[in-house]
Amino acid sequence: DSGVTQTPKHLITATGQRVTLRCSPRSGDLSVYWYQQSLDQGLQFLIQYYNGEERAKGNILERFSAQQFPDLHSELNLSSLELGDSALYFCASSVATGPSTDTQYFGPGTRLTVL
Amino acid sequence: AQKITQTQPGMFVQEKEAVTLDCTYDTSDPSYGLFWYKQPSSGEMIFLIYQGSYDQQNATEGRYSLNFQKARKSANLVISASQLGDSAMYFCAMRGGTYSGGGADGLTFGKGTHLIIQP
Repeated sequence: DSGVTQTPKHLITATGQRVTLRCSPRSGDLSVYWYQQSLDQGLQFLIQYYNGEERAKGNILERFSAQQFPDLHSELNLSSLELGDSALYFCASSVATGPSTDTQYFGPGTRLTVL
Repeated sequence: AQKITQTQPGMFVQEKEAVTLDCTYDTSDPSYGLFWYKQPSSGEMIFLIYQGSYDQQNATEGRYSLNFQKARKSANLVISASQLGDSAMYFCAMRGGTYSGGGADGLTFGKGTHLIIQP
């Protein structure tokens, strides 16, 4: 158990809908990262938050957004869903106090199925 | 841009044998970190080992070691005495850029190697 929690574990929805994925980082971790894993794109970094502020952006679509709250939990919002958004979405967290200690620990993931 | 290449889509290995999973990387950053993660069929991503670009010695964590050859830009994972529970997908990943505090950019992953340990 990495200490990172994600809810829900599974999510099934229809095209055009909006969903919210939730992540709680490990105790003491200030940085949260979101990744998407799909068969055709592999594992892709989406976005990173550090202590409530957006820190880095990867291949995140404009239909997707995220935020990190004062208690450091994070939410990833996916809107106008398409079939191609079906994937395993991971949240990861890190301490972010120095490069040699900045290992990212992953949550169990949320499997999103868009029908 | 950073790139990770894992050239072995799949591998079959006999139990108790040593395994080497290949990883080559490309980056123009002078400072970077290399990671290996294991993804069992259950889906979670498990951190195995880390190697910093300025580390003088190869990283080791229990049965895992990283054969880091900086000039060749390779960071191969070696699993000694493989076990049936080692069957999983293995991903090599990189974090690059100049660390400026407050976390670092996301990881760039390779496509992975599917390792199957046979009894």
